[in-house]
Order: sequence, then structure tokens, then C-alpha cells
Amino acid sequence: EAGVTQFPSHSVIEKGQTVTLRCDPISGHDNLYWYRRVMGKEIKFLLHFVKESKQDESGMPNNRFLAERTGGTYSTLKVQPAELEDSGVYFCASSRETGGLGYGYTFGSGTRLTVV
Amino acid sequence: GNSVTQMEGPVTLSEEAFLTINCTYTATGYPSLFWYVQYPGEGLQLLLKATKADDKGSNKGFEATYRKETTSFHLEKGSVQVSDSAVYFCALKKAAGNKLTFGGGTRVLVKP
Repeated sequence: EAGVTQFPSHSVIEKGQTVTLRCDPISGHDNLYWYRRVMGKEIKFLLHFVKESKQDESGMPNNRFLAERTGGTYSTLKVQPAELEDSGVYFCASSRETGGLGYGYTFGSGTRLTVV
Repeated sequence: GNSVTQMEGPVTLSEEAFLTINCTYTATGYPSLFWYVQYPGEGLQLLLKATKADDKGSNKGFEATYRKETTSFHLEKGSVQVSDSAVYFCALKKAAGNKLTFGGGTRVLVKP
């Protein structure tokens, strides 16, 4: 099966601009997650979709970040306006199960965002 | 709250050396524990896992044992190869939740 696909792989934007990241999960995976790694620190949870519904968005840093998953398939994460501290690697993951032991997570290759 | 602490890198080793990456966690109850690896230019891959105390996860020559008494899940490999050069992340997941809590990652560089 195809894996989790993220694009773009890299994005360089100026402070104040808008960027939209996209994630295509594995087909049939109802659960979709966004994580990010900022400044080489730990990878932090941003939010979790079950189909098109936001199950948990407790990790979203502020209202400049907007995640959507229309139709329960692919997801977008928009940052508007981008700030310097938003630079980092944004990972998407998907899983078939909700809860459980966490065996079934598959991560994408990530989008490296650089805000200058 | 939950947290994971792992040794900072980079760790530089020669081929065939022994590798240990320490990982300790803070969490209530009995979380599942994981090691993920990110090879250059690739995404995060699950390396191994353990779901209860004294479980040993193993894969590709790597091993880690779930130690409840010391809240640790140290990663070890007896003889590393150049192809093991990567960033390694320790992580936990509470049984009742869905999100993973990661450590800061440890970069490992194996030189021939």
C-alpha cells in the first residue's frame, strides 16, 4: 500500500506570508495526526482527526494554525501569517485504529518549513 | 503530564561499536513505549515497541526492555553499521489516548 504522503517536502516563505501543508494518509485510515519538530527539539503533537472531525486539537500552538480534513481524506495545515518560530519539520501520521496500543501509526517524510 | 527524556547527541561511533541510547519517561499507569528512527531524507519509522513491564522489543539488531521500576526504555545494539546513522526518537503512548509523546531525539553517526 502507498504510505503517508506529504507535500511540499520543503517550503521557504517570508514572515507574514501564508503556507499550506498537505497530507495524504494511507487509504482507509480514519485517524490522521499532525506533529511538528521545532529547532531540533522534541516532536510535539498538534492535533488528531478521526475522519473529518477534530478529536483532539490541544497541541495547536495558536490561532494562526488551521487544520482541515474535508471529506475525511487528505488534510491541510495552514499557517497564516507565518512567524519565524514556526520554522521546523511538520510530520503527518495516520492509523487505522483509534486508541489501542499505537502499533499502527505510519508517518510521512515531513515538510520542512523555513520562515525567513 | 507525560514526558520522555533521552540523551542528547550527537553520538559518534565507529562501525561495529556498541550503541546505547538512554531513555526515561514520566507517565501514570502503563504506557506503551516505542523507538522510532528517522534515516536521512526519510520519514519516521517504527523501530521497536513494548507494551508492558519487562517486555523486550527487538528489530534489526536493536533491543530495548521496558523497565517499570526505573521508568526506562534504553535502546541498544551490539554492533552498529554505517547504515544505522540516523536520528532515534523514544516515545510513549498512554493506552487510553491517541497521541504520542516524544523525546528530543538523538542523532547517531557511525563512521566506517
